[in-house]
Amino acid sequence: NAGVTQTPKFQVLKTGQSMTLQCAQDMNHNSMYWYRQDPGMGLRLIYYSASEGTTDKGEVPNGYNVSRLNKREFSLRLESAAPSQTSVYFCASRTGTELYEQYFGPGTRLTVT
Amino acid sequence: GQSLEQPSEVTAVEGAIVQINCTYQTSGFYGLSWYQQHDGGAPTFLSYNGLDGLEETGRFSSFLSRSDSYGYLLLQELQMKDSASYFCAVRDHDGGFKTIFGAGTRLFVKA
Repeated sequence: NAGVTQTPKFQVLKTGQSMTLQCAQDMNHNSMYWYRQDPGMGLRLIYYSASEGTTDKGEVPNGYNVSRLNKREFSLRLESAAPSQTSVYFCASRTGTELYEQYFGPGTRLTVT
Repeated sequence: GQSLEQPSEVTAVEGAIVQINCTYQTSGFYGLSWYQQHDGGAPTFLSYNGLDGLEETGRFSSFLSRSDSYGYLLLQELQMKDSASYFCAVRDHDGGFKTIFGAGTRLFVKA
């Protein structure tokens, strides 16, 4: 099992450009999450999907959109990137039973200039 | 709303014991989790407390007191590889699907 995979690993954007961060998990997990982590800070929830077909806002959803494409895949889109969105983005998933443990992908390091 | 507080940094020597505290404020409570993150890496799950008391997993233990809204992570026989950031986390009251993380405690282990 690959676990949670994310693409790309690194990305540099100019202000105003758009891009989609991809996330996939092969553990048959119901719930998936997108977080951002800024230097020296904890993880802040952007959006989550409790199950296939549903998405909900987290703490910091402004400037982002998400799509739960199927049970495996959950993408995060930046429509018009801003320097404030420079961060490391982590995707995570968890089962429907052990709700306390999340499995994280390796992260995408995004710089917006 | 939900909030968690933990110290920003802790320093200890190799072989010692260190305790990382976490206090939380939540409108509902589904348990306290701990995650470890090495520099440049992804967070990995360490432990979970749903009820009061101590949970032990090898060199790591975690404690919870729900009446005090307080928990801690205890690391014993510290090794250099334990140098990392440690995050406490709680699940949101709204169905428990959202998880809120603390800002993290950076642990430095010295030889």
